[in-house]
Amino acid sequence: EDKVVQSPLSLVVHEGDTVTLNCSYEVTNFRSLLWYKQEKKAPTFLFMLTSSGIEKKSGRLSSILDKKELSSILNITATQTGDSAIYLCAASQGGSEKLVFGKGTKLTVNP
Amino acid sequence: NAGVTQTPKFRILKIGQSMTLQCAQDMNHNYMYWYRQDPGMGLKLIYYSVGAGITDKGEVPNGYNVSRSTTEDFPLRLELAAPSQTSVYFCASSLQGGSNQPQHFGDGTRLSIL
Repeated sequence: EDKVVQSPLSLVVHEGDTVTLNCSYEVTNFRSLLWYKQEKKAPTFLFMLTSSGIEKKSGRLSSILDKKELSSILNITATQTGDSAIYLCAASQGGSEKLVFGKGTKLTVNP
Repeated sequence: NAGVTQTPKFRILKIGQSMTLQCAQDMNHNYMYWYRQDPGMGLKLIYYSVGAGITDKGEVPNGYNVSRSTTEDFPLRLELAAPSQTSVYFCASSLQGGSNQPQHFGDGTRLSIL
């Protein structure tokens, strides 16, 4: 069965801390790994990773894919309260429209 | 830019009632998707469409129907609501399929079946 597992499920940090969120996947015909941020409503797209070892960056957020380890990490440096959200990881499969989502990591950043 | 618009935002239904969740996008995207998100769980694909007139089942299609008569609209219909369909429903769209481009999500419809 195809699955994506995220860890930790929940994380509480203080403003200014650096966090690393983990995502591992087991999907047939893996194509890409996507990260989304979900605040109160719609998930919003962060990164799409298809190549192993190439870091993608957007401000204080960065992510990298390791196809050998079937995993990805999402790093957030100098966290702010506005980073508080659920971070979703999803794996896509070649020849399929389905995204396999993990359960998400709930990040709480306290002032 | 409206993006993906879902209506209603909230709804309470009685068991056995039917209703249609509306989804519209103004980005001229060919691909549209319906997901459900249960508490503490990831999103599960219900149905998707690769273009007007074409729909296909996702992971959890039972109890739902869809249609795609135009590029812009992709309504989801519940015919006989059951408590197991209590969930948050998200509609999404993308320009290309096969996850070549990220999906853009609407704000969701929170549905409770009592």
